[in-house]
Formats: sequence, structure tokens, C-alpha cells
Amino acid sequence: AQSVTQPDIHITVSEGASLELRCNYSYGATPYLFWYVQSPGQGLQLLLKYFSGDTLVQGIKGFEAEFKRSQSSFNLRKPSVHWSDAAEYFCAVGAKGGSEKLVFGKGTKLTVNP
Amino acid sequence: DTAVSQTPKYLVTQMGNDKSIKCEQNLGHDTMYWYKQDSKKFLKIMFSYNNKELIINETVPNRFSPKSPDKAHLNLHINSLELGDSAVYFCASSHAGPSSTGEAFFGQGTRLTVV
Repeated sequence: AQSVTQPDIHITVSEGASLELRCNYSYGATPYLFWYVQSPGQGLQLLLKYFSGDTLVQGIKGFEAEFKRSQSSFNLRKPSVHWSDAAEYFCAVGAKGGSEKLVFGKGTKLTVNP
Repeated sequence: DTAVSQTPKYLVTQMGNDKSIKCEQNLGHDTMYWYKQDSKKFLKIMFSYNNKELIINETVPNRFSPKSPDKAHLNLHINSLELGDSAVYFCASSHAGPSSTGEAFFGQGTRLTVV
């Protein structure tokens, strides 16, 4: 069964600093990988996805993520964090076909200091 | 235009009551889901429907009954509500098929509080 681990429950960075959120997955086949962001009181918004091709994927709001099959990782990065990036970030794994469930990690809460 | 919309956004009710949450998507997707987010923010699948047929039912008490009248709607009815049912319930939809890239689009959530 697939699983996702986000090792960091809470990360605090200063505005303008770089950010990396870690995600490790377990899946028997080629995974479809996603990062979602949840602002307080809001739903989940898709930041980016990987399903094939280039292992470095670009997303919205200046985020990118790199798929590393050898490390079973899909870490999210941003070169310069803005105060509005403070939110909960979820990594998820799914299967080809789209009708399979997404399995989520437990999330990483990002706090941005001014 | 809201892609996935759920109503109500907030629901406060007493133990033992029965309540429903409605969900509609205008994305033309054929698969819809209910996810539960607990107090620790953990998201877990409850149900999945593809073209009005139930395809995933993840060990959810039978007090929870989903209904899909058509592929654009998925409702969740909960009988005999318990304190432990308090959570945020998210509806989502996706496109299924060989060309799908698998992402799900989520509604804004329904915060259910059982008192």
C-alpha cells in the first residue's frame, strides 16, 4: 500500500529565506506525486504535480519540486519565501488513471517570520 | 466560477442528529471523493465514486452514507452523529482514465462540530 512521510511537522523560516519541505513516499509502481497547500480555513490548492518526464517540476507561486526515484523523495522548494506562503503543505501520492485515492502525508506547517 | 463547491461551510449540531453535506463540481470530472481531515490535519479518503458507482469505501462506519445522483454531485449523509465525527470534510473530484494525471480538485471543506 502506498504511504507518504513528511518528516517535518513544523518549519519556521524568515521572509526572503529559501525553503525546502521534505516528502518521502512508498509506492510499488511509478507514482503520481503532488504538493497541495492549505491556508487557514481554506480548501486544498494544487501547487504542482509529477507524473512523468522531467524530474524537476515547476508549480504555481514560485514553487518547484524534484522527483528522485532513488531516494523515493519529492521535496518542495522555493528560493525566497513570502509572508503569504505561511500555510500547511501536504505531499500526496496517487496512481495512474485518476480514479484512485490520493494518500496524503501528515502535512508540514510553515510559519514565516517577518 | 467555483469548481468544487460544498454546502454548508460550517455545521454545528447535537449528538444523535442526522445531517447531510452536499457537493457539486462543474469540471466535467467523472470521479468524486469524500475526504476527512481530523483535528491534527490528517487527510484520509472515505469514499470514492466513479460515474455514480461506489468504488472506494475505506472502513467508514455505516452511519456514513454517500449518494451520487449524477456524476456532478456527491452528497454525504451522516446518521446518529457522534462527538468523534467532528472534523472537516472535503469533497474532491478528478478526471479518470488513461490520459489522467491524477490530481484531485478540492472544495473549501465543511467544518462539522458535534456538541
